[in-house]
Amino acid sequence: EVQLAESGEGLVQPGGSLRLSCAASGFTFSNYAMHWVRQAPGKGLEHVSAISSNGITTYYVDSVKGRFTISRDNSKNTLSLQMGSLRAEDMAVYYCARGSGYGGNYFDYWGQGALVTVSS
Amino acid sequence: QSALTQPRSVSGAPGQSVTISCTGTSSDVGNYNYVSWYQQHPAKAPKLMIYDVSQRPSGVTDRFSGSKSGNTASLTISGLQAEDEADYYCCSYAGTYRDVFGSGTKVTVL
Repeated sequence: EVQLAESGEGLVQPGGSLRLSCAASGFTFSNYAMHWVRQAPGKGLEHVSAISSNGITTYYVDSVKGRFTISRDNSKNTLSLQMGSLRAEDMAVYYCARGSGYGGNYFDYWGQGALVTVSS
Repeated sequence: QSALTQPRSVSGAPGQSVTISCTGTSSDVGNYNYVSWYQQHPAKAPKLMIYDVSQRPSGVTDRFSGSKSGNTASLTISGLQAEDEADYYCCSYAGTYRDVFGSGTKVTVL
């Protein structure tokens, strides 16, 4: 059974940093692109970042470029998102998701989500 | 990187059909046959309902169907049931590992 489990959620002050992790199991992690998708309170879904199966290619939405870093450890089946210079508008539930299909373009499995609260 | 445009809400009586539109541009929906749809119930993670415009994952009922014409994709729910009441999001591939979501549509079963 495919499982994705986020960890690292928490409260952080504006300008602070936080690292989210996603533990994957039940599939060959190194064969799949992985994504982070967020949802601000009461808002829609936003594709934040993606990483290719081998970790070489990454994508960031403009609003997080230079502040967030996505990475993966295929030996540990773990996806990470290092978030820095956090802003109020980064407050959201962050989901890790497995990418399938061409370019990993659709998300067939999702984690339960990790809540990131940015507040002083 | 603007969100794809979806109606804010649609509604229908049990047994009826509803269709949700998803309008993008020639850079996303119009350029790729890689549109997916997600169902999200309150406080739950999204669930994949349609991928590659019209393909259903294993386990998704055939009451859900997808199509695309030009820059607009559509999701149709036939034989509406109470459990279909949820938020629905379209998503389009838009380049190397880049995806863009729709604004979301709330489906209400009357």
